[in-house]
Amino acid sequence: GESVGLHLPTLSVQEGDNSIINCAYSNSASDYFIWYKQESGKGPQFIIDIRSNMDKRQGQRVTVLLNKTVKHLSLQIAATQPGDSAVYFCAENTGPKTGTASKLTFGTGTRLQVTL
Amino acid sequence: DAGITQSPRHKVTETGTPVTLRCHQTENHRYMYWYRQDPGHGLRLIHYSYGVKDTDKGEVSDGYSVSRSKTEDFLLTLESATSSQTSVYFCAIRTGETQYFGPGTRLLVL
Repeated sequence: GESVGLHLPTLSVQEGDNSIINCAYSNSASDYFIWYKQESGKGPQFIIDIRSNMDKRQGQRVTVLLNKTVKHLSLQIAATQPGDSAVYFCAENTGPKTGTASKLTFGTGTRLQVTL
Repeated sequence: DAGITQSPRHKVTETGTPVTLRCHQTENHRYMYWYRQDPGHGLRLIHYSYGVKDTDKGEVSDGYSVSRSKTEDFLLTLESATSSQTSVYFCAIRTGETQYFGPGTRLLVL
């Protein structure tokens, strides 16, 4: 089973509804952010990213919103499907864009449960 | 999966024994990372590599060592496993600022 998610906040949504998952990031100097999806027993999977010079970026059924004023990131999933059930977490690049010092800091995540 | 494999995928070992986890990538990425994932924590960086024989410590490196003798392989060694090292271990590669992860290794230290 998935032991990593035992203490995670959980968002429960009905199939077909829209989901909004939030993330507060820590470093006001961070300029690159990523959302990952992690299904039970699997590695984190890249979903979408955004740079700090953007407020919004859209992908297929997903939208990421960035509010730098309050250091907040959100992931919106349209028409949520059972296959979207997973843990979602954000990551921020707290260092330089390139070179050895470029590193990601990861949030603890939110579990999304899709009910039929 | 960014061409990343990890082995073994599951391992049970006893306290005090050495353990080596392997990360293999097929796309010639320069940067490779080892993380551990535990309940209540985000992914935490153990060690990383920025080229063959070039490695550095992350935030939770105590009790771990790494080696990278060729571009495609990054090994993580627990010299003497402890119960606190029971975890799920992920390898990642980096392209630009984005990191892509392998499938993970579940390690149980009894």
